[in-house]
Amino acid sequence: KQEVTQIPAALSVPEGENLVLNCSFTDSAIYNLQWFRQDPGKGLTSLLLIQSSQREQTSGRLNASLDKSSGRSTLYIAASQPGDSATYLCALNTGNQFYFGTGTSLTVIP
Amino acid sequence: EAQVTQNPRYLITVTGKKLTVTCSQNMNHEYMSWYRQDPGLGLRQIYYSMNVEVTDKGDVPEGYKVSRKEKRNFPLILESPSPNQTSLYFCASYSLGIQFFGPGTRLTVL
Repeated sequence: KQEVTQIPAALSVPEGENLVLNCSFTDSAIYNLQWFRQDPGKGLTSLLLIQSSQREQTSGRLNASLDKSSGRSTLYIAASQPGDSATYLCALNTGNQFYFGTGTSLTVIP
Repeated sequence: EAQVTQNPRYLITVTGKKLTVTCSQNMNHEYMSWYRQDPGLGLRQIYYSMNVEVTDKGDVPEGYKVSRKEKRNFPLILESPSPNQTSLYFCASYSLGIQFFGPGTRLTVL
């Protein structure tokens, strides 16, 4: 069974700082990996999708990388803003099923 | 607007009283799924459906039923709810690598 770990569980940074969120998984047989953002009391918003054949994807200030051989993905957020405060989740697709990490709660301090 | 809708958004019920949470998507997606989200455990997949009349168990199917009689709808049924099913529930649909989530249903079983 796929195990997904996100470290750190919580992170607090001053506005403007660049930061990296980590996602580790135990089984490299994945179809794709998706990063989500979840605001308190809200649903999940898709941020980036990386297919298993890709190494990274970029959208604006966000860059996600994937290294299947080491079982790791990172989400890089450049020039963080208070509006980036949320919980960030990674999700692995193994073909039929999805496995989520427990998330990193990010607070960006103005 | 492309979306996944869930109803009700909030529900308080008592042990043993059957309930149904509805889920509907307007994107003509074949794949749909139900998750529950609990503190410290993240999102865990309950059931998923690859297409009409095709459903499969996820990681935590005990105590739940689903049906997929038409492509757009995927209701979650709790025949005899128990307090350990108190949770935040999300429905999602999936296509071309991307999952789209509903707003969530917060269920409390007393």
